[in-house]
Amino acid sequence: AQSVTQLDSQVPVFEEAPVELRCNYSSSVSVYLFWYVQYPNQGLQLLLKYLSGSTLVESINGFEAEFNKSQTSFHLRKPSVHISDTAEYFCAVERGGGNKLTFGTGTQLKVEL
Amino acid sequence: EAGVAQSPRYKIIEKRQSVAFWCNPISGHATLYWYQQILGQGPKLLIQFQNNGVVDDSQLPKDRFSAERLKGVDSTLKIQPAKLEDSAVYLCASSPGGGALSGYTFGSGTRLTVV
Repeated sequence: AQSVTQLDSQVPVFEEAPVELRCNYSSSVSVYLFWYVQYPNQGLQLLLKYLSGSTLVESINGFEAEFNKSQTSFHLRKPSVHISDTAEYFCAVERGGGNKLTFGTGTQLKVEL
Repeated sequence: EAGVAQSPRYKIIEKRQSVAFWCNPISGHATLYWYQQILGQGPKLLIQFQNNGVVDDSQLPKDRFSAERLKGVDSTLKIQPAKLEDSAVYLCASSPGGGALSGYTFGSGTRLTVV
């Protein structure tokens, strides 16, 4: 079985400041890792994913995440946030070949002026 | 390409009533998922279909929840009778069949309020 832990339920940050949203997973087998973003009253949108290869993955809007196998982590970072980044962020795991996602409890990112 | 369509967008019912949600996945996607997202929690998988067969329904409360995917395309999720704790957003997702390697697409969800 696998589980996903997002330690921070809420992260307030000022605009243009850096941010890190933490995600740890537990699994005895290889995994695929995802970050999804959910804006109010909308569905889940894929932000970025790690399947294989380079452990650092990037999104088109400046977010990046690094797969750290030894620490079983996949933290999401952005060097300078914008008001429009205010949303809920979910980390998710798929056990390799399992074809289904297990989600963390989410982190509410609130960007303030 | 068209996305995953869900209806209704919102639903308010009284406890003990029944309700049904509908999902139309992306054309050609063999795998369909229903997730329940309770406020303040992450989505939880209720049921996974591969074509019209059930792959995983281990977390579906079968005494009140049922789902079907006739003809391997559209799917309906039903709750009967509803309880207060069923208030949540019900998300439908689909995948070509390869899971992470082929990608998941989520619908906008149906927000259910049970009063």
